[in-house]
Amino acid sequence: EVQLLESGGGLVQPGGSLRLSCAASGFTFSSYAMSWVRQAPGKGLEWVSAISGSGGSTYYADSVKGRFTISRDNSKNTLYLQMNSLRAEDTAVYYCAKVVTDYGDYIHSSYFDYWGQGTLVTVSS
Amino acid sequence: SYVLTQPPSVSVAPGQTARITCGGNNIGSKSVHWYQQKPGQAPVLVVYDDSDRPSGIPERFSGSNSGNTATLTISRVEAGDEADYYCQVWDSSSDHYVFGTGTKVTVL
Repeated sequence: EVQLLESGGGLVQPGGSLRLSCAASGFTFSSYAMSWVRQAPGKGLEWVSAISGSGGSTYYADSVKGRFTISRDNSKNTLYLQMNSLRAEDTAVYYCAKVVTDYGDYIHSSYFDYWGQGTLVTVSS
Repeated sequence: SYVLTQPPSVSVAPGQTARITCGGNNIGSKSVHWYQQKPGQAPVLVVYDDSDRPSGIPERFSGSNSGNTATLTISRVEAGDEADYYCQVWDSSSDHYVFGTGTKVTVL
């Protein structure tokens, strides 16, 4: 059974940093791309970042590029999101999601087949 | 950037059919995926690659995609189908995942 368990959320001041973790189990972690998706309170889903199975390719939404860094440790079956220079608008539930495949040379289609339960990040003074 | 537009809400009586649209420029050339999200829960994939269903998803959920509109159809709607629904594509021109604006389905 695929399980994704996020941790690391909490209250942080504007301009501060936070690192989220996602512990994965039930599948061969290194064989799949992984992603972070967030949802601000009362709002829709917003894709944040994604990373290939090897960690060699990373992708970011324009809203977080240069501030957030996605990474993974395949020896620990864990996905990370380092969030710096946090803003009030980054307040959201952050979901870890498993991508249906790894990324090839060209991605025509991709989606998320499993999601974690999410961790809440609140940016406020 | 690529934009996906959904109606904010759809209301349907039990036993009837709900249709949720997802509009995007030439979306018919992309593969569209749909997620169901109930209050306080994580999203769940209900349709992938326009019209395929993951195991465990009822046949009442179906999808289509052509031209500038993709559609999620829920047949014989039940009270348990009340949720928010989001469409999603991969935009290869920007290497971004894109979600639709979301549709709240209310069962009357």
